[in-house]
Amino acid sequence: DVKVTQSSRYLVKRTGEKVFLECVQDMDHENMFWYRQDPGLGLRLIYFSYDVKMKEKGDIPEGYSVSREKKERFSLILESASTNQTSMYLCASSSNPGTDNEKLFFGSGTQLSVL
Amino acid sequence: GQQLNQSPQSMFIQEGEDVSMNCTSSSIFNTWLWYKQDPGEGPVLLIALYKAGELTSNGRLTAQFGITRKDSFLNISASIPSDVGIYFCAGLKFQGAQKLVFGQGTRLTINP
Repeated sequence: DVKVTQSSRYLVKRTGEKVFLECVQDMDHENMFWYRQDPGLGLRLIYFSYDVKMKEKGDIPEGYSVSREKKERFSLILESASTNQTSMYLCASSSNPGTDNEKLFFGSGTQLSVL
Repeated sequence: GQQLNQSPQSMFIQEGEDVSMNCTSSSIFNTWLWYKQDPGEGPVLLIALYKAGELTSNGRLTAQFGITRKDSFLNISASIPSDVGIYFCAGLKFQGAQKLVFGQGTRLTINP
């Protein structure tokens, strides 16, 4: 069974802290994504990666960075957390282009609260 | 970034009722998908649509790819308690773009 695992279900951090959100997939997928989910706004793409060490900005990259040192792991970094980054963060992966690559597999999410 | 207009934003229905929700866009999409998010979980793909006019079913769920390619519809027949959750539409403009655009979600609540 396919699996995308996010390291924390809940996180509480203080303003200004550096925050790491970790995501691991066991499906050998090339593509990995970070979304944030806010009520009334749906899912918005922060960053995505097509391959190891490759990254591309999504629609709302400001205040975030990412790291993909290994194929199975994609990390989201909040360099200096702010209260407006309080949100549900969802990691997802998908397979190679040409093989249902639009079908995303999501993790269970990390609810981040920044105080 | 572009978002899809999904409606309604929330629905409160009785068990056994049918449900309809839709998604519209000002631009054309080549692929439409419908996801469901159970409470405390990530979204899971329900149905994928690849051709204008296509009608696809998955159990009690039926989705349609609008002929204008700017909209999609999801219907749930004879709702049951486990249908509770948030339903998201998503559109993809061309293969390989890897950037799905999501709607705002429809939160479905069912009274037993």
